[in-house]
Amino acid sequence: SQKIEQNSEALNIQEGKTATLTCNYTNYSPAYLQWYRQDPGRGPVFLLLIRENEKEKRKERLKVTFDTTLKQSLFHITASQPADSATYLCAPPMDTGRRALTFGSGTRLQVQP
Amino acid sequence: SAVISQKPSRDICQRGTSLTIQCQVDSQVTMMFWYRQQPGQSLTLIATANQGSEATYESGFVIDKFPISRPNLTFSTLTVSNMSPEDSSIYLCSVGESDEKLFFGSGTQLSVL
Repeated sequence: SQKIEQNSEALNIQEGKTATLTCNYTNYSPAYLQWYRQDPGRGPVFLLLIRENEKEKRKERLKVTFDTTLKQSLFHITASQPADSATYLCAPPMDTGRRALTFGSGTRLQVQP
Repeated sequence: SAVISQKPSRDICQRGTSLTIQCQVDSQVTMMFWYRQQPGQSLTLIATANQGSEATYESGFVIDKFPISRPNLTFSTLTVSNMSPEDSSIYLCSVGESDEKLFFGSGTQLSVL
């Protein structure tokens, strides 16, 4: 069955550093993959989408890569700020042709001032 | 982007009772989904709410336990029936428009005693 894995341990970094979060998937070849941010008590918020034919996507301080050979996506936040502290979720579609997403367990990022 | 209003935001219920959660969107949307997020876990898809027809449930979820209505393109309800403490979770309404990203409501925090 499909499996989406994110590092369940919290990631603690200093303000100004680059945070790198990992999403690995198995038994699966998604056509695209999305990243969401979730704050406590709130629903997830869309950040970026990357397609299988794209190696890299950027949006302001965010960058996501997609390696279909390694079956891995990396999510980077450069020049991190305490306001970036949140849980980040990796989300490919559940199945080919479906709009519903399946979500990884998320990685909690804590940026220390 | 769609704005989603979900009610109630939280509730504490007695075992054996039922709770209906409402999801109102400020625009007509093609896709509506209901997710569950158990404590410390990621999001799990319960069902796709289909306008004018029965919802499509994921494995492990049944209509008798989680009846869903979607009378039009802007509104849906999810009922959690005959509740037990295991139903204590956050329930999230999600919508999709013309592209692949999803928008989420703030969720309903349900505690069952």
